[in-house]
Amino acid sequence: EVQLVESGGGLVQPGGSLRLSCAASGFTFSSYDMHWVRQATGKGLEWVSAIGTAGDTYYPGSVKGRFTISRENAKNSLYLQMNSLRAGDTAVYYCARGRLWFGELSAFDYWGQGTLVTVSS
Amino acid sequence: DIQLTQSPSFLSASVGDRVTITCRASQGISSYLAWYQQKPGKAPKLLIYAASTLQSGVPSRFSGSGSGTEFTLTISSLQPEDFATYYCQQLNSYPRELTFGGGTKVEIK
Repeated sequence: EVQLVESGGGLVQPGGSLRLSCAASGFTFSSYDMHWVRQATGKGLEWVSAIGTAGDTYYPGSVKGRFTISRENAKNSLYLQMNSLRAGDTAVYYCARGRLWFGELSAFDYWGQGTLVTVSS
Repeated sequence: DIQLTQSPSFLSASVGDRVTITCRASQGISSYLAWYQQKPGKAPKLLIYAASTLQSGVPSRFSGSGSGTEFTLTISSLQPEDFATYYCQQLNSYPRELTFGGGTKVEIK
């Protein structure tokens, strides 16, 4: 059974840093692109970052330069290092597995339960 | 940037109703569209990918159609467990961007 379990969320002051982790099991972690998606309370979904199987990384403009995604295949783990945090980064953060269709990313087929990050003084 | 506009944003329906949700893209995205269901306090669940392919384990009352800029998610006969918020997602411009629609909340009439 595929499982993704996030951890590391909490309360942090503006300008602070936090590192999220996602422990994967039930599949060959190294063979999949992985993603982080966030959702502010009562709001929609926002893609935050991606990492490919070769370690290539991608970010939207809203977090580029502040967030760093990484993976450790030997530990079946995904990470998100978040620096220079702002109130607008407050959200539940989900890790998700990328699903390929004919070699192209087609969806996120498994999601973790999420971890809450609150940026406040 | 590609924008996704879902309509309606809110829908009130009864058990047994046929429900259709529309997702319009600001530019063509071929068939790189997915649909998700999210219940309160839970992670999104994949329903449809590649615009019309049903994810394994998802009931056949869910179906997707469309290509280019206009897509629909249809629930043929609404069940009590289907009351949730539904999101579309475009993946055509990945890895430059990945965007979600604003969501459609389906509530009990």
